[in-house]
Amino acid sequence: AQSVSQHNHHVILSEAASLELGCNYSYGGTVNLFWYVQYPGQHLQLLLKYFSGDPLVKGIKGFEAEFIKSKFSFNLRKPSVQWSDTAEYFCAVNAPGAGSYQLTFGKGTKLSVIP
Amino acid sequence: NAGVTQTPKFQVLKTGQSMTLQCAQDMNHEYMSWYRQDPGMGLRLIHYSVGAGITDQGEVPNGYNVSRSTTEDFPLRLLSAAPSQTSVYFCASSYSGGGGRTTDTQYFGPGTRLTVL
Repeated sequence: AQSVSQHNHHVILSEAASLELGCNYSYGGTVNLFWYVQYPGQHLQLLLKYFSGDPLVKGIKGFEAEFIKSKFSFNLRKPSVQWSDTAEYFCAVNAPGAGSYQLTFGKGTKLSVIP
Repeated sequence: NAGVTQTPKFQVLKTGQSMTLQCAQDMNHEYMSWYRQDPGMGLRLIHYSVGAGITDQGEVPNGYNVSRSTTEDFPLRLLSAAPSQTSVYFCASSYSGGGGRTTDTQYFGPGTRLTVL
């Protein structure tokens, strides 16, 4: 069974610091990859997704992620975080054969940004 | 276009009670899913549906039933609530994209926070 690992449970940064959240998956085949964000008290929103093509994906709010197939990784980055980026971030994987209705999520990384 | 809606927002049950969590979407998506979110566990798939009349189990289906009589609605039933079912429940929907390829994105509802005493 495929699994998704997020390296950090809780990350604390000061405003303007750079962010990188790690995500690794175990599935060996072709996968679709997602990063979702959950702001306090809100539902999940899609930050960005990778299906194919350019492995560097740009999403909303200045986030980007790089798919490195050889490392089974899909790390999320932002050059300069803001207090409003305080949220929980989830990496998710979907194999095309499993259908878009079957996402496997990582356990999440809570990001706290200190003003 | 309301997207994915869920009711109620909050619910408290006693052990052994039953209830139905409602989920509806107005995007004409074929696929719908139910997840539960527990602290430190991420989201785990409970049940899913690939169209009206078709449902299947996900990773953690025990204690839950689903049905899909229409494209729009996908209710989740707790038959006999247990404290272990205390969680936040999210419904999601997605479009198949056609041609047998399933490469689209899941859209999530606002969630139902359930407490079982």
